[in-house]
Amino acid sequence: KNEVEQSPQNLTAQEGEFITINCSYSVGISALHWLQQHPGGGIVSLFMLSSGKKKHGRLIATINIQEKHSSLHITASHPRDSAVYICAVNTGTASKLTFGTGTRLQVTL
Amino acid sequence: ETGVTQSPTHLIKTRGQQVTLRCSSQSGHNTVSWYQQALGQGPQFIFQYYREEENGRGNFPPRFSGLQFPNYSSELNVNALELDDSALYLCASSLVSLAGTGANVLTFGAGSRLTVL
Repeated sequence: KNEVEQSPQNLTAQEGEFITINCSYSVGISALHWLQQHPGGGIVSLFMLSSGKKKHGRLIATINIQEKHSSLHITASHPRDSAVYICAVNTGTASKLTFGTGTRLQVTL
Repeated sequence: ETGVTQSPTHLIKTRGQQVTLRCSSQSGHNTVSWYQQALGQGPQFIFQYYREEENGRGNFPPRFSGLQFPNYSSELNVNALELDDSALYLCASSLVSLAGTGANVLTFGAGSRLTVL
């Protein structure tokens, strides 16, 4: 069993839909990251959080430390949101991240 | 403010060869970490460099080695290449105030895609 599990693996949505991607982890963490990876490989850091909730534009990330679970929400989804969304956790060394396998999101018109 | 730049972007090698990948960290960052991402998989932590020393290593053999320079740029070297080394190699930089403590936002480069034939 992976230390970081994401669901769903693949997600197709229509423009304007509300999207939720889930991440569960089985280890103690100091922080959880949500990352966005576009075709071609580049990764962008969306959020780093260790408690509560963060919001940036149409993106919202929440974490429940007791339940070892985090969610990434996208409101009013748009085709440009199409990407792979990756959950990763800090489990020790400051920059050592353990990654989930990602959720591939496709938003259609 | 410049981001993280990696070179080369693509390269092809044959089994048994050696490869060096380069990473220039974001201005103001002092820590570089390297990740291997096989096709369809999430990235795997290779190692981290802080103040020119290795500061944490993942489950990779010794033929994966690295360097960090005084300007905080970094190299990843892989010797005796194997077919399974074909992957996207990602570099990420961050600012760490004390090695091994806390968690920091990472800035990733676009990656170097290595194909081993």
